[in-house]
Amino acid sequence: EVQLAQSGAELKKPGESLKISCKGSGYSFPSYWIAWVRQMPGEGLEWMGIIHPDDSETKYSPSFQGHVTISADKSISTAYLQWRSLKASDTGIYYCARRSPALASDYWGQGTLVTVSS
Amino acid sequence: ETVMTQSPDTLSVSPGERATLTCRASQKFGSNLAWYQQKPGQAPRLLIYGASTRATGIPARFSVSGSGTERTLTISSLQSEDFAVYYCQQYNNWPPTFGQGTKVEIK
Repeated sequence: EVQLAQSGAELKKPGESLKISCKGSGYSFPSYWIAWVRQMPGEGLEWMGIIHPDDSETKYSPSFQGHVTISADKSISTAYLQWRSLKASDTGIYYCARRSPALASDYWGQGTLVTVSS
Repeated sequence: ETVMTQSPDTLSVSPGERATLTCRASQKFGSNLAWYQQKPGQAPRLLIYGASTRATGIPARFSVSGSGTERTLTISSLQSEDFAVYYCQQYNNWPPTFGQGTKVEIK
């Protein structure tokens, strides 16, 4: 069974750094792109960027380029989303999702709630 | 970027009735359109991809029609488990973009 297991909820202060994770299982992790999607409180879905775990090729949405870093370690089937300096506006739920061969996101993690508050 | 606009924002429907949700794009997307369902407190779930192909386990009451830059998701007979928020997403143009969502609520 394909599963994406995300790390737990985080409570951080503005200016702090953070790295959340997404561990894939039940399939060949290096072979499928992993996307990150943000959902701010009470809002819709925003596509942030994507990584191919086999060679770490990464593409970012212009809205998120320079604000976050996406990485992966195929040896432990895990993708990451990282911030160097959090802002209150980074508060939201972050989902990882596998991109299917048909290019849609067919499996999703359970989401990681990130709260940034002083 | 391609702007996806869904209508209506909220749709009130009685169980057993038909629901019709629309998604319009600011640019062509070919067949590279997906629909997702999201229930409160849950991650989105893929319903339809490639414009009209149902994902694994999705019942036939979900269908998509349309052409050009507009598609319509129809739920033929709403079941209790179908009340949720629905998002369309184009993945033809960079970056992939979602519509703002349509909430289907119980009338």
